[in-house]
Amino acid sequence: GESVGLHLPTLSVQEGDNSIINCAYSNSASDYFIWYKQESGKGPQFIIDIRSNMDKRQGQRVTVLLNKTVKHLSLQIAATQPGDSAVYFCAENIRRGQAGTALIFGKGTTLSVSS
Amino acid sequence: DTEVTQTPKHLVMGMTNKKSLKCEQHMGHRAMYWYKQKAKKPPELMFVYSYEKLSINESVPSRFSPECPNSSLLNLHLHALQPEDSALYLCASSQVWGGTYSYNEQFFGPGTRLTVL
Repeated sequence: GESVGLHLPTLSVQEGDNSIINCAYSNSASDYFIWYKQESGKGPQFIIDIRSNMDKRQGQRVTVLLNKTVKHLSLQIAATQPGDSAVYFCAENIRRGQAGTALIFGKGTTLSVSS
Repeated sequence: DTEVTQTPKHLVMGMTNKKSLKCEQHMGHRAMYWYKQKAKKPPELMFVYSYEKLSINESVPSRFSPECPNSSLLNLHLHALQPEDSALYLCASSQVWGGTYSYNEQFFGPGTRLTVL
């Protein structure tokens, strides 16, 4: 579940600002995490992933931070652009039985970027 | 081709109808998934197929019947649905599922917007 105070359902920023979207995950045994972006009328689109043996990973304009001590994940978007406006979901990969895994999605944060 | 396609885009059906949703990928992925997404909510896993075999059923009602005829195709057969089943149905695929290869990205299709009257 989500930790009270960490998850914001909406985030409004100005174009050019840096955005930080937070997520709390539920299972300390989760070994893989993904951030997805979902624009209106579309399916989720992969942004960046991170394994549990890392605490930071950088992509193009995006950085994911993982704090396993408090089970917290964040997505940082540098120089936010209007095209970044969307709903952002974190997803944790949890074990399902002996054979496989399942992605469990967090609640999502709607990012609105004004120019 | 790095795309997952879904048809139809929109579907309106009555509670006594039988319809099917289709999903296709040509990335050589051997794992395929169905998710249900209600408005303003995160996607929820329904089914996982691995090498054309059903591997996970998240206690989905039997009025939803998945089928994987081959490694590229995934269907979801619908019968006697309820209005509360109205949602966006998303298909996804990944290279493999399970075992030591759990760090693999899922690619999502655009979804089918289903309305049950």
